[in-house]
Amino acid sequence: GQSLEQPSEVTAVEGAIVQINCTYQTSGFYGLSWYQQHDGGAPTFLSYNGLDGLEETGRFSSFLSRSDSYGYLLLQELQMKDSASYFCAVSLFSGDSGGYQKVTFGTGTKLQVIP
Amino acid sequence: EAQVTQNPRYLITVTGKKLTVTCSQNMNHEYMSWYRQDPGLGLRQIYYSMNVEVTDKGDVPEGYKVSRKEKRNFPLILESPSPNQTSLYFCASSLMFSTLGGELFFGEGSRLTVL
Repeated sequence: GQSLEQPSEVTAVEGAIVQINCTYQTSGFYGLSWYQQHDGGAPTFLSYNGLDGLEETGRFSSFLSRSDSYGYLLLQELQMKDSASYFCAVSLFSGDSGGYQKVTFGTGTKLQVIP
Repeated sequence: EAQVTQNPRYLITVTGKKLTVTCSQNMNHEYMSWYRQDPGLGLRQIYYSMNVEVTDKGDVPEGYKVSRKEKRNFPLILESPSPNQTSLYFCASSLMFSTLGGELFFGEGSRLTVL
């Protein structure tokens, strides 16, 4: 089966940098995504890595190493509004319908930003 | 406005009473999916659909049915709900995934309680 591991909770200071790691064990790996979810809200997309390396989007960056089955989300210049849960998700090849559309999420990392 | 719309947002029902949660998207997305979210378990995929009349099981399909007769709609059917299906449900859609990525757009969620 598939498994994704990420820390359950992280606390960081406003203005600092925090890294949330995600390791995965899957078959048919296609890409790694990151989503943010505030309490009571829906998940919103942050980034996607289909190839090894770093993707940067403003204060957020995401990294993927396929050989290590590992990725991370880097949040810089933390703001109080960044307090939320962050989920990594893997896109997988699925043979049932000949496509690659299965998306499995990790259990999420709750980030608390403190003053 | 581009959106994914779920209904109902909140529902309390009783064991065995069939119910349908509707999901509609106005972005002409091929891919649609259902997730359930439970504390400590993250988002778990129930079913997904790559296009009209093409559906596949996710990680937790037992007790659920779906249909994709139109591109925009992807209803989730609970034929005989049980208390263990009490959860927060999210519908999501996306353009076809590719090496360039695949952003999932989520609906606002449907909180279901089965007594």
